[in-house]
Amino acid sequence: QVQLVESGGGLVKPGGSLRLSCAASGFTFSDYYMSWIRQAPGKGLEWVSYISSSGSTIYYADSVKGRFTISRDNAKNSLYLQMNSLRAEDTAVYYCARWEGGYFDLWGRGTLVTVSS
Amino acid sequence: EIVMTQSPATLSVSPGERATLSCRASQSVNSNLAWYQQKPGQAPRLLIYGASTRATGIPARFSGSGSGTEFTLTISSLQSEDFAFYYCQQYNNWPSFGQGTKLEIK
Repeated sequence: QVQLVESGGGLVKPGGSLRLSCAASGFTFSDYYMSWIRQAPGKGLEWVSYISSSGSTIYYADSVKGRFTISRDNAKNSLYLQMNSLRAEDTAVYYCARWEGGYFDLWGRGTLVTVSS
Repeated sequence: EIVMTQSPATLSVSPGERATLSCRASQSVNSNLAWYQQKPGQAPRLLIYGASTRATGIPARFSGSGSGTEFTLTISSLQSEDFAFYYCQQYNNWPSFGQGTKLEIK
């Protein structure tokens, strides 16, 4: 069926790195722009980054610019988020989502990233 | 950055009654507004896009209205499964979300 499944979350120390993955199935992944969105514990939603269908266009929220890198492998139907120089405020559930003209029509269940010493 | 403000923060309504949730943008977003429902421990689900178009599979009791800076999500007759958090999101510029409204059982 049509779904997105995130993985790679966990506990990491401040200043550390983590790489998230998102596996897509049930649709033609290479046709769609994709995004990462996060939600801090008990908080609202924050858009993090997006990547075009070919990977040629990428944007980041100011809060992660220079520290996070989004990428994709269309041959593997996969989306990635490399997170470096992690801070306590990056603690959140990270969702992979399919971008449809600016809104998000398909979401994964999320993966929890905890940044703590 | 466009700031989205939702009200109220918490709305208490009885099953079978109507619920009206509001979302205001700090500047015009035209009709580039979406609504999502989120239940505890679950991912958000798209309800409405283009301010008033229901997403695939969304029941007709959910309706959206508004344009510019003022938007409303109305749930005409609340079912037990509708009690959840609701978020609005603008996409006229880089995406930004409201802080959410918790719809709880009265």
